[in-house]
Amino acid sequence: AQSVTQLGSHVSVSEGALVLLRCNYSSSVPPYLFWYVQYPNQGLQLLLKYTTGATLVKGINGFEAEFKKSETSFHLTKPSAHMSDAAEYFCAVSDYSTGNQFYFGTGTSLTVIP
Amino acid sequence: KAGVTQTPRYLIKTRGQQVTLSCSPISGHRSVSWYQQTPGQGLQFLFEYFSETQRNKGNFPGRFSGRQFSNSRSEMNVSTLELGDSALYLCASSLVPGGQGKNIQYFGAGTRLSVL
Repeated sequence: AQSVTQLGSHVSVSEGALVLLRCNYSSSVPPYLFWYVQYPNQGLQLLLKYTTGATLVKGINGFEAEFKKSETSFHLTKPSAHMSDAAEYFCAVSDYSTGNQFYFGTGTSLTVIP
Repeated sequence: KAGVTQTPRYLIKTRGQQVTLSCSPISGHRSVSWYQQTPGQGLQFLFEYFSETQRNKGNFPGRFSGRQFSNSRSEMNVSTLELGDSALYLCASSLVPGGQGKNIQYFGAGTRLSVL
């Protein structure tokens, strides 16, 4: 069965520091991988997605993620944190073996310290 | 282009009651998925509809049901509400099911249900 593990339910970084949010997945077939962001009282917004091709994926707001098949990971990074990055981040996996159903991680709350 | 619209935004119900939530997808989208979001469990998949047919269903009791209309609007219903049903219910729409290719799920702001 597919699953997503997000290491660290809470991450704090200083403004200007590197942001690293970890995501590991399990999938029996090549997966589609996603990162979503959720601001308070809002729905989820897609940051970036990986389907096929280049393993380094660039998204909105300066975020990027790298698909590493050997490590079954899809970690999200941003070189320099901004106060506006404070939010909840969700990693998700989807693949055709489960009818393309989405499976989400439990989320990582990012705090940016001024 | 209007986004995914969920109504109402907030609901307060008491145990034993039933509730219906509504989701209007982005124009042209035929796939609608529902999720339950709670602090402890994160996002859990409820069900997915495509062209008025339920394609997938998550691991929820039969008290949770849904449907999709010919205009792709979707409703979910929860009967005999329990305290544990208190959650944010999110709806997502996409052109077609799944994460393949350029297909993207767009989320609504959710309906926050409180069961007293």
